[in-house]
Amino acid sequence: SQTIHQWPATLVQPVGSPLSLECTVEGTSNPNLYWYRQAAGRGLQLLFYSVGIGQISSEVPQNLSASRPQDRQFILSSKKLLLSDSGFYLCAWSVGIVGGNGYTFGSGTRLTVV
Amino acid sequence: DQQVKQNSPSLSVQEGRISILNCDYTNSMFDYFLWYKKYPAEGPTFLISISSIKDKNEDGRFTVFLNKSAKHLSLHIVPSQPGDSAVYFCAAIGSTLGRLYFGRGTQLTVWP
Repeated sequence: SQTIHQWPATLVQPVGSPLSLECTVEGTSNPNLYWYRQAAGRGLQLLFYSVGIGQISSEVPQNLSASRPQDRQFILSSKKLLLSDSGFYLCAWSVGIVGGNGYTFGSGTRLTVV
Repeated sequence: DQQVKQNSPSLSVQEGRISILNCDYTNSMFDYFLWYKKYPAEGPTFLISISSIKDKNEDGRFTVFLNKSAKHLSLHIVPSQPGDSAVYFCAAIGSTLGRLYFGRGTQLTVWP
């Protein structure tokens, strides 16, 4: 069966420090991968998605970047964190044409920038 | 541009009663509509979906209704239970659109 791993679960980082969040998927090949953010009191905002190794699409211009070095690995990064980067970050995956099953989400990372 | 809208940020219902969560959309190209449930500090989990060619889908206590002419869907939970207390996200996708669009979510609180 397919599983998605996301870590760390919580992270407190100072302003200006770098960030690296990792997501890996097991049990499937060539998944579509997504990074979402849920800011306090707000909905789910799509940040990046990837349909293959090295293929990254950005939805919102921001202080973050994403990379996909391997088929089932998706990394969210920042060189210098801002206070506004605080939020709950979610990785998700899907395979093929997404229909009624939607995406499967990881357990999320709570990032607090101080 | 919000293509999927949940206009009620919160809903409070007594245990045993019906919970009705609403969602509106603007894009007629959506093929599927989905509901996700999210507890604090956890990822959203898939709850139920409906194809755009149907008007109702039922799964146990959960029923989703779709009104295409009004571009409106709703999730009914009967009977509501305290464990249903969570944020519910409405989402939609179209085969030509490439990704899932989410509403802002509705916080459901079911009280005893």
